[in-house]
This record gives sequence, C-alpha cells and structure tokens, in this order.
Amino acid sequence: KAGVTQTPRYLIKTRGQQVTLSCSPISGHRSVSWYQQTPGQGLQFLFEYFSETQRNKGNFPGRFSGRQFSNSRSEMNVSTLELGDSALYLCASNLGLAGGEQYFGPGTRLTVT
Amino acid sequence: AQKITQTQPGMFVQEKEAVTLDCTYDTSDQSYGLFWYKQPSSGEMIFLIYQGSYDEQNATEGRYSLNFQKARKSANLVISASQLGDSAMYFCAMREGLNTGGFKTIFGAGTRLFVKA
Repeated sequence: KAGVTQTPRYLIKTRGQQVTLSCSPISGHRSVSWYQQTPGQGLQFLFEYFSETQRNKGNFPGRFSGRQFSNSRSEMNVSTLELGDSALYLCASNLGLAGGEQYFGPGTRLTVT
Repeated sequence: AQKITQTQPGMFVQEKEAVTLDCTYDTSDQSYGLFWYKQPSSGEMIFLIYQGSYDEQNATEGRYSLNFQKARKSANLVISASQLGDSAMYFCAMREGLNTGGFKTIFGAGTRLFVKA
C-alpha cells in the first residue's frame, strides 16, 4: 500500500507570495492533519480534516488555510508569506477513528526569502 | 492546556544496550492517545508505537515498548538492543479530542539519541 505523499518536496518563495501544498493520504484514510516543523518551535499542529470538514485547528493566523477533497486529498495554503513561515510542512493521515496510528508523509520544505 | 514534556534533549547509548526515553504529559481529557515517532536526519517521521489511554497493557512493537504509567502521566519509550540505525530524533506525542472527534496531536520537543559502536 502506498504511503502518504506530499508535493512538492521543496519550494522557494518570496515574501508576500502565496503557496499551496498538497497531501495525498494512504488509501482508505479519511483524516489528514497538517503540521509545521521549525528548529525554534518544534512540531506544531496546524489543522485536521476529516471527510472534507475541518475538525480542529491549531493556533496559527488566518493566513494558513486548508481544505480536503472528496477523495481525501488535502491542500494547505499560506498567503502573504513571511520569512518565519520557512519550515518543513508535514501532513499525516489516519483512518479517522479515535485511536490508532497516524502516518506521516515526507514533508515539503518551504523556504521564504 | 495539553502539554508534552521530554526532559532529555540528548542521550547516548552503547550499541546492543537498552535505553529509555522519558515522556510526561498533561491533559484533562479522559480519552487520549500517546505516540512515539522517530525522525532520522532525512526528515521523515516514522511511526513507532501507540498507546491508548484505556489500554491496560503496555504497547510493544518489536524492539520498542511503551512504559505507560497513567497515574504518573508518563509514557516512556524503551528501545531494547540498540542499533546504530536507531540514532535519530525521537518525539513523544499525544492526541486529544478523541471524544469530540476533532483530533489534535501535540508533540514534545524531542530527544536526540546517539548510539555508539
């Protein structure tokens, strides 16, 4: 079974631009979560989607948004990029049940210049 | 507020020896899940082990076991027979919101493990 895939793997953007990252979960998984990883803040939860609905959201500004499609694929968008948005963005999928494993994709490394 | 604490920023262990990575958590939820992940220098997050708050038995997965002490709110990872390939960053995480359906996973700061030959 294929794992979680994320595209693109690397991205360089300029301050003020916007970016869209994509995540395809493991087949059959209906929940997708997004995380931001930086050396200073560690791993921080962005949001979680299940069946096209956002079920939970972390403490990030409104510039960070996401959505999930009917095939469970998810996208996250960051508008008006800031230097501090440079990070590894990870998505993870699971079945969407209360318990159980959560599997991560390889991440998208975003650099904002 | 939910919180995960990993007090060991870095640890060394001799190859073939066992090592325990500490994790304590704080939550008011009755239903939650605890995870350990490994992150090698390549950056990928590798799922190691999961323990539900209502699971009475400690979780085990091969050389990994989770020492779950609910009353003390600790979820330590034990790696038996360490291998050189175990050198990596290890994260403890907690998923809350299991009763509400909106899952939110919080990660600790991580412990960097170095395995010596």
